[in-house]
Parts: sequence; structure tokens; C-alpha cells
Amino acid sequence: DTEVTQTPKHLVMGMTNKKSLKCEQHMGHRAMYWYKQKAKKPPELMFVYSYEKLSINESVPSRFSPECPNSSLLNLHLHALQPEDSALYLCASSQEGYGTANTGELFFGEGSRLTVL
Amino acid sequence: SQQGEEDPQALSIQEGENATMNCSYKTSINNLQWYRQNSGRGLVHLILIRSNEREKHSGRLRVTLDTSKKSSSLLITASRAADTASYFCATASKAAGNKLTFGGGTRVLVKP
Repeated sequence: DTEVTQTPKHLVMGMTNKKSLKCEQHMGHRAMYWYKQKAKKPPELMFVYSYEKLSINESVPSRFSPECPNSSLLNLHLHALQPEDSALYLCASSQEGYGTANTGELFFGEGSRLTVL
Repeated sequence: SQQGEEDPQALSIQEGENATMNCSYKTSINNLQWYRQNSGRGLVHLILIRSNEREKHSGRLRVTLDTSKKSSSLLITASRAADTASYFCATASKAAGNKLTFGGGTRVLVKP
């Protein structure tokens, strides 16, 4: 199984809603990532978990809250978002833990398209 | 800020032609990777080239790396309509804690 699965594929939420994005991989990868991508822009790193511990938070606003319940799962909890947070949210995983000398290939999910009204 | 800058930003070619895109970066790298993204989809890894390598091939893809010029190129030979996508370079540098940072991307349109 070489897949990273993200749910839901599409999400529409109001600014007062609380929702979650979910990501799952069963490749035994040790690092998992959240990226945010706006239209016609490159992915921007938000969070990195390595060995289930938060390694990187790229100064992301607290209305985004990551969680790594176990080595296969990664969640992104959303609360009180703004319309400018509308974007494609991509989850990725890599075999080695974050910060090793040879950052290898990232395996990406298909993304969750978020629209904030 | 972006580590990699890609050139051109957009490219339109006929099926069967070759497509070349370039990536320049600023700091020393451990490796450089190329990814493809079809519209609205996830990214797919194409090739990883290490800092001590100069050229790699994978099928119709050829990647070169010139560390003295801090640049890389991706060549797609005999392009197909299915190659229509955005292509991103991404660099991993020790200075950035081996964080993978993506360039701005090249949008490639292959016309049948």
C-alpha cells in the first residue's frame, strides 16, 4: 500500500464551524506533513510530525490545530477560520523521520479542498 | 521565502516535442526533487537527485544538477497530452533543517 488517504475531499464551512481534516498512511512512514496550497502557488509547509511528535510549526495561526494520534494518522482541526484560509490542504508522509540528513521522497495525498464562507 | 525559483512559469508545446524547465536555488542543498501535480490533485514524486550527482534519468525524464550554478533542469522528451501538469522543484538544505521547500512551479500544457 503506497497511498496517503485524505478525507474529506471537499469541505465547506462557515467561520464559526469546527471541522477536521484527516490523513492516513500505512507505509510505516515516520514523518507526516501538512501543506497548504493556494491556486497557482506552490505548497507551503504548515506542520511536520516526526515519530508522532510535532517537529515543525511554521508559525501557523492557532485556528489550525494538528494532531497525530498514532504513527498512521494525522489530523488537522479547524476552528474559527477566515475566508482567506480557503485552499487545498495536502497531507504527505516520508519514510525517514524529519530532520535526517537525507530528506527523501514525499508521498502526497490527493488533498482536501477547503472553502470557508 | 522560496528556495527554488522556476523558469519558465508557463510552457505550451505540441505533443511529441520536448519540454525543458529550470530551477534555481539559493543555498547549498542535500538533494533536489521534482514533483508533478495535475490540476487540483496531489503531488507525485518524479525524481530525486543528490548533491553529488550530476544527471539522472527516469523513463522520458532527464534531470541535471549543477551545484556550481545552483540550478537544475527537468527535460521531458517526446511529450504527451498526459504530461500536461504543473511541475515543481523542491530542495532540501541543511541550512533549512532539511525541510523540503518548493519552487514556484512551471505550468506545462501539451497540445495534442
